[in-house]
Amino acid sequence: GAGVSQSPRYKVAKRGQDVALRCDPISGHVSLFWYQQALGQGPEFLTYFQNEAQLDKSGLPSDRFFAERPEGSVSTLKIQRTQQEDSAVYLCASSFDPAPSSYNSPLHFGNGTRLTVT
Amino acid sequence: AQSVTQLDSHVSVSEGTPVLLRCNYSSSYSPSLFWYVQHPNKGLQLLLKYTSAATLVKGINGFEAEFKKSETSFHLTKPSAHMSDAAEYFCVVSEILTGGGNKLTFGTGTQLKVEL
Repeated sequence: GAGVSQSPRYKVAKRGQDVALRCDPISGHVSLFWYQQALGQGPEFLTYFQNEAQLDKSGLPSDRFFAERPEGSVSTLKIQRTQQEDSAVYLCASSFDPAPSSYNSPLHFGNGTRLTVT
Repeated sequence: AQSVTQLDSHVSVSEGTPVLLRCNYSSSYSPSLFWYVQHPNKGLQLLLKYTSAATLVKGINGFEAEFKKSETSFHLTKPSAHMSDAAEYFCVVSEILTGGGNKLTFGTGTQLKVEL
């Protein structure tokens, strides 16, 4: 497809389980971002990749959260030992260049993965 | 750190009447500001962006926003609401990351309801 693809669309995990969320960015996009959107809130920045390099992970809420993009395309966000407070929609976004704020290279968001931890 | 505050969590208008969604920003330097829209079960979509080239910014679907430095505001408006405008709207400020790239900081959102 032409857009950012995220899978699974929905994920239910029992507390303590590990989960892996996948993001397929638009082909050729250099920048990739993960955001977390809790119910009723705006998305919050988690981490940023430029190609395979993770240049910023200041938004990851704890060391249970880990993201990777080993070949500079597909990215995986892994959450270990999930807790109820991890329940949220996890959004992935990609852009052609490192400055996704420009109209020439807008940021494209996926539809997200809704994670529910029971 | 930069931030945005959306003053209304819910706004309800009648179809054909004007829309006003309010946003105030906090920034230590000239900010890059955006409005994004999120329809149910769809990805976030960029409506418009403030580039500092013009204080009145026109976006898609008839929306526009005016940057007012004296009021630290970036309110979103549309002259005539359409049913298809019903969605969640986010005011966003962009911040340059230390390692490069831009990070978007979102407001808490305003749910726009359009009634017949």
